[in-house]
Amino acid sequence: DQQVKQNSPSLSVQEGRISILNCDYTNSMFDYFLWYKKYPAEGPTFLISISSIKDKNEDGRFTVFLNKSAKHLSLHIVPSQPGDSAVYFCAASDRSNDYKLSFGAGTTVTVRA
Amino acid sequence: EADIYQTPRYLVIGTGKKITLECSQTMGHDKMYWYQQDPGMELHLIHYSYGVNSTEKGDLSSESTVSRIRTEHFPLTLESARPSHTSQYLCASSAWTGAYEQYFGPGTRLTVT
Repeated sequence: DQQVKQNSPSLSVQEGRISILNCDYTNSMFDYFLWYKKYPAEGPTFLISISSIKDKNEDGRFTVFLNKSAKHLSLHIVPSQPGDSAVYFCAASDRSNDYKLSFGAGTTVTVRA
Repeated sequence: EADIYQTPRYLVIGTGKKITLECSQTMGHDKMYWYQQDPGMELHLIHYSYGVNSTEKGDLSSESTVSRIRTEHFPLTLESARPSHTSQYLCASSAWTGAYEQYFGPGTRLTVT
């Protein structure tokens, strides 16, 4: 029973344009959401997070939006750069599950020159 | 520099062999995790530990075992490797009970022939 879903397995975007990655979840107990970036043959690296008490968090080129009523979050990357080409994982957690993370299946982003 | 290490990075081994995947962190984190991840799939938690002499099985059933004799070390062992164990194994740690962010090692790509 997958509680975090990333329905787009891949995304291709031109350099300089915006990348929008989407994530949906089913567990209403989730209270914290994270995005990780993963290059091939490397471990995921933490990118940005958002608490359920907020609807937006921004860090440089990366912004995460949370819509709790729709159980949906998105990651915006502006402007997209070639180094952003990677797999992006959405993750969610709740303190009642001892902060363990549930991951989506990832979205592969390719930034075209 | 505080970090999390995994060795080996790549391992090709025959069926029936016993293997140990090493994971060490220098961040002083109490919580450590092992995930299994296949291409295009989500990360699945197979083991976790809250501290020395504490180990628990994760959401995905695994034939592997773990130990936590020292805070910084969390090795994973497969007594008899099978082709179905072929996967990427990722080790992670987190800082304290209330922390959501997990920090990942580079992973071990295991191939069982």
